[in-house]
Amino acid sequence: DGGITQSPKYLFRKEGQNVTLSCEQNLNHDAMYWYRQDPGQGLRLIYYSQIVNDFQKGDIAEGYSVSREKKESFPLTVTSAQKNPTAFYLCATSNLGYTEAFFGQGTRLTVV
Amino acid sequence: GQQVMQIPQYQHVQEGEDFTTYCNSSTTLSNIQWYKQRPGGHPVFLIQLVKSGEVKKQKRLTFQFGEAKKNSSLHITATQTTDVGTYFCAGPGGGNNRKLIWGLGTSLAVNP
Repeated sequence: DGGITQSPKYLFRKEGQNVTLSCEQNLNHDAMYWYRQDPGQGLRLIYYSQIVNDFQKGDIAEGYSVSREKKESFPLTVTSAQKNPTAFYLCATSNLGYTEAFFGQGTRLTVV
Repeated sequence: GQQVMQIPQYQHVQEGEDFTTYCNSSTTLSNIQWYKQRPGGHPVFLIQLVKSGEVKKQKRLTFQFGEAKKNSSLHITATQTTDVGTYFCAGPGGGNNRKLIWGLGTSLAVNP
């Protein structure tokens, strides 16, 4: 969606390196989410944040870290502790009082 | 924990045939949402159903929410090649968090 920007679209990293994926939104939505999607798979929740300076682990948080210092931004760091980091990463937002999610274009991370 | 199951996982149809995907939750849902993800794209919100027994239509797409609010279906009449993609259902995780619990999706392929 136009109001959610994920960058870059494609990212290549060497094994053992940490990498940070960017997610910026101008929708003024309070909640932000990070999902991981593997080929032919559904969406698995990594982390989510409902307000600034607060976030909760999702179902697969190990090897990932996040921060929420500003309402507009929710960067995701894929650390070297993540065993299989190659995947499609999707950032999403939702507005106060609603649960429907709006997604960014995604970042395809390849670790070699 | 709460689960949302979706069937079938894959469906291959000839253009013009109908298509249905089914979603079943292990718990009662306050609402059910449907999303479409085109190949290589990101999920896009289609619709939300809230009321027991609710039926909504969007052109050739018909969405239903079961009487017990635990199941839902999406029916596409006379499929077109533009319908190709993966259709996901999702429901709120409950409680004070605003997580969505996602089905694994149904991938639809349409032969022209």
